[in-house]
Parts: sequence; C-alpha cells; structure tokens
Amino acid sequence: GESVGLHLPTLSVQEGDNSIINCAYSNSASDYFIWYKQESGKGPQFIIDIRSNMDKRQGQRVTVLLNKTVKHLSLQIAATQPGDSAVYFCAENINYGQNFVFGPGTRLSVLP
Amino acid sequence: EAQVTQNPRYLITVTGKKLTVTCSQNMNHEYMSWYRQDPGLGLRQIYYSMNVEVTDKGDVPEGYKVSRKEKRNFPLILESPSPNQTSLYFCASSPRQGNIQYFGAGTRLSVL
Repeated sequence: GESVGLHLPTLSVQEGDNSIINCAYSNSASDYFIWYKQESGKGPQFIIDIRSNMDKRQGQRVTVLLNKTVKHLSLQIAATQPGDSAVYFCAENINYGQNFVFGPGTRLSVLP
Repeated sequence: EAQVTQNPRYLITVTGKKLTVTCSQNMNHEYMSWYRQDPGLGLRQIYYSMNVEVTDKGDVPEGYKVSRKEKRNFPLILESPSPNQTSLYFCASSPRQGNIQYFGAGTRLSVL
C-alpha cells in the first residue's frame, strides 16, 4: 500500500461500533466542505459534503456535522465495517473557488 | 464507466530526466487539477485548469508544467525532476471549479 498515512493520527474502532472522525478547518469564510475516503493504493473518493447553511447532513451510514462557531467538522460512520478502514480527510472551499484546502487526514482502523 | 485515468501508476527515474504523467477523464469535465500528497501533509495543488487552454498555478507549481490542449487530457510534465519531487501524485476533475472532485488512482514517483 501507499505510504501516505505514515504520520497520520489513527482511530481504532471495533467492528460494529460507531466512528467519529474530526476535522478542524482553517478559514472562517469557508462555506463548502467535503469528506473524502482514501483506501490504500487508491485515489480519494467522495463520501459526503455539506454547505455552511446546514449543520448536519446524512447519507447512507454516514453523517457530517458542521460547527461553524469553532470551525469544526466531524464525520460519523455508523456500524463501522472492515471496508471502512481507510484514511479520511476533509476539504474546505470558499464561494465556489477553484482551490480546496485539504486536511492531512485520519487513519481509521477497524478491529475484528 | 466514469473515471479519471493516470499513467503510469509507478515510476522510478533519475534526476534531470524529463518525464510526463498523463491524465485523462471521460466525464466531459471542465475543471482538472494536479495534486501531490506527501506523508503527514494534505493534498497540495500543483496546477489546475478551468477549461481547454486555460491553466494556472496552484500552491506548489515550481518544477512542474501542464498543458490542456483537449478537454479530456491534462498531462503533468517534469522537465528536470529532482529528488524533492518524489511523491504521490493525483489528477482530479470536476464539472466546474468548486465542485466535488473525482480523483485518479495516483502515480507513485521516485526520483533518484
């Protein structure tokens, strides 16, 4: 696999438990946020997004929460499965600008 | 199948030997971008393109060139690679800037 995650914080959870991955974003003007999942040897894959006019958005087994007051984003994964093992990172954008700022990521390890 | 295709996936080269990493998307996306990913760091943008013949520098453009002669292709060129360009590279595309990006599988480059 790729060595991209050598120095990343790691979250270990038991299979079936819920996972919460956090992201502190940098710019209070950011109004669009995306969570990506990156499995070993693959490119980042879109999971869920949220705009700043929302506090919460739900997908299939995933929920993103946005707290603009403290510039914090979280990704909740329900009933974590072995296939959820990956690096997760957030990206922020301002006003449909061309540039996304990406966080360094968190490695999620699912224990059997 | 909608996808972003990068080639090669792995490349080992020597300092100063020009190389090109190709990127092609079949989704008719206007926006394309190149990133590098290094351990402990988020994705950093090298160059981007808003449309055919429209390219601009990202955050870390030094030592790289790009071209966008056709909508589907966005090659990354290293005229004289150096060891500090050893990294994992990703190409991405999206319908327009500020939208969800779709990533290729990555190119692992080692410059000796």
